[in-house]
Amino acid sequence: RKEVEQDPGPFNVPEGATVAFNCTYSNSASQSFFWYRQDCRKEPKLLMSVYSSGNEDGRFTAQLNRASQYISLLIRDSKLSDSATYLCVVNVRAGSYQLTFGKGTKLSVIP
Amino acid sequence: EAGVVQSPRYKIIEKKQPVAFWCNPISGHNTLYWYRQNLGQGPELLIRYENEEAVDDSQLPKDRFSAERLKGVDSTLKIQPAELGDSAVYLCASSLGGVGPCTFGSGTRLTVV
Repeated sequence: RKEVEQDPGPFNVPEGATVAFNCTYSNSASQSFFWYRQDCRKEPKLLMSVYSSGNEDGRFTAQLNRASQYISLLIRDSKLSDSATYLCVVNVRAGSYQLTFGKGTKLSVIP
Repeated sequence: EAGVVQSPRYKIIEKKQPVAFWCNPISGHNTLYWYRQNLGQGPELLIRYENEEAVDDSQLPKDRFSAERLKGVDSTLKIQPAELGDSAVYLCASSLGGVGPCTFGSGTRLTVV
């Protein structure tokens, strides 16, 4: 089982739609979690951290379920500019910290 | 504040040639990462430094790859000799401590022909 797994998509959604991505991780010792956004031919950029109680940043909501070892990202009222690849990232303390990335989920928002 | 700076942005070399990438992290960030990203994949860690010490290099192909971070600031990643399969984007990232998120540089796109 891969350490961090995501559905690669693509997710093609119309503008204004709500879309959700899930990510599962294998190591129960994982300590911190993030969602990154990566535009085509650009570097990944931090979108938001994921907290145990769930957290919201505008149209974006992130949730963590430690018991089931999955993380979700919900995007409401999708904009064309949301089109990108969304990377799930897990930080595991195994001796030192290991920041592990999923392969990413591609989102295309269609006019 | 300047972000993570990498150079060069692009590099095309013939196989069996050496190549080097340079990274200057965000000022004050003691943790530095080198990742490799292939098309359609997420970044994969090659090596991680805490200050000048390499604390995780388990994924670094040590027969041809080497890295250094003298003085615990900027870093270089070298491949010698390069192979066709090394074509990828090499991303440098830094963070303040190892527990939080990292910030990436714009990467070096390597093409080996």
